[in-house]
Amino acid sequence: DAGVTQSPTHLIKTRGQQVTLRCSPKSGHDTVSWYQQALGQGPQFIFQYYEEEERQRGNFPDRFSGHQFPNYSSELNVNALLLGDSALYLCASSWTGTGPYNEQFFGPGTRLTVL
Amino acid sequence: AQRVTQPEKLLSVFKGAPVELKCNYSYSGSPELFWYVQYSRQRLQLLLRHISRESIKGFTADLNKGETSFHLKKPFAQEEDSAMYYCALSVSGGYQKVTFGTGTKLQVIP
Repeated sequence: DAGVTQSPTHLIKTRGQQVTLRCSPKSGHDTVSWYQQALGQGPQFIFQYYEEEERQRGNFPDRFSGHQFPNYSSELNVNALLLGDSALYLCASSWTGTGPYNEQFFGPGTRLTVL
Repeated sequence: AQRVTQPEKLLSVFKGAPVELKCNYSYSGSPELFWYVQYSRQRLQLLLRHISRESIKGFTADLNKGETSFHLKKPFAQEEDSAMYYCALSVSGGYQKVTFGTGTKLQVIP
């Protein structure tokens, strides 16, 4: 199991453009969360998807949207890119079960640079 | 809203010295607290969680609700402990929406 995978590794866009980032969860996981990590900061929760629906959302504008597919993979879309959107975008997967240890496993991230 | 504060950006200790990484949180309810670690060129990974009360790689962390703290401790630092450490909090049960601190870089000097 390769664990959580993300694509692409790096991406360069210009202001105003749109971007799509992709994530495949760890085998057996059904929940995907997305985080934004700016330089020198901790990860900030964007939103979480479960059963193809957005279950929770952090304090991010509507320019940030997502999708989860029937195979549990997920996409993060950002419209009208701003310079401040430059960051490392992390995907984390977990299994929504009844036990207390539904740990999140993180992917390697996608580095987005907006020029 | 919940908040996690890690006051130290960098903590340098000598090998064999005790380590304490500080973490304070603000939340009016009963949060779940975690420590995540990121070693050089590796992914962010869970180190330990307060509900399991376990010791991982010699690290322990005790939740102090009175002081709203969850400091990470290890009696004797090792070079392989050098990494970025993030304190995190979850309030919606399990590992749902997680709020992270800004992180502390631990540097263990040989």
